[in-house]
Amino acid sequence: IAGITQAPTSQILAAGRRMTLRCTQDMRHNAMYWYRQDLGLGLRLIHYSNTAGTTGKGEVPDGYSVSRANTDDFPLTLASAVPSQTSVYFCASSDSGTDYYNEQFFGPGTRLTVL
Amino acid sequence: GQNIDQPTEMTATEGAIVQINCTYQTSGFNGLFWYQQHAGEAPTFLSYNVLDGLEEKGRFSSFLSRSKGYSYLLLKELQMKDSASYLCAVRDSNYQLIWGAGTKLIIKP
Repeated sequence: IAGITQAPTSQILAAGRRMTLRCTQDMRHNAMYWYRQDLGLGLRLIHYSNTAGTTGKGEVPDGYSVSRANTDDFPLTLASAVPSQTSVYFCASSDSGTDYYNEQFFGPGTRLTVL
Repeated sequence: GQNIDQPTEMTATEGAIVQINCTYQTSGFNGLFWYQQHAGEAPTFLSYNVLDGLEEKGRFSSFLSRSKGYSYLLLKELQMKDSASYLCAVRDSNYQLIWGAGTKLIIKP
């Protein structure tokens, strides 16, 4: 693995179903993020984790949950999918701390369609 | 509320120069980022500004004025491969990134 991987690449899901999007990084970054990207809107933060064992809510957390059991993995779960969750989902990671710019590195994305 | 504004779309000619503007109103400021995103791909980091002034990196430069809440990305000697969306993002007081909707840049031969 080099960088960040996401799975699946794309998925069509029936409304009401549960779905977990997977994200793994091998850069030993402390911080990880989940964003959704919709046409005409900027990337919107769903949940984040500043370090393993901690998580926080972003701008649009409703309907989503995350866990951070270790440094490398940060899965995003939709407990009961709804059509408004149709989007492209990006996972990202960065070093944490405030003494450097700590750019975010992005995974290739998961394109999710909820019908 | 927090707001990042960028033009939706711009068109430029191969070999020319283009300037993409970004204005922001955020709760706190801890740096401004520019990312490039080709269609169907992930965003990739281009530049970072935290102090006023110009940062130059090859064909790309980024400028920041904190007092005006304004930044621009300058692309010189445009190439066809520069056709992409350019995303402006500000790191707020919580050290989270607030993203603009992006500017789609179309390069014509």
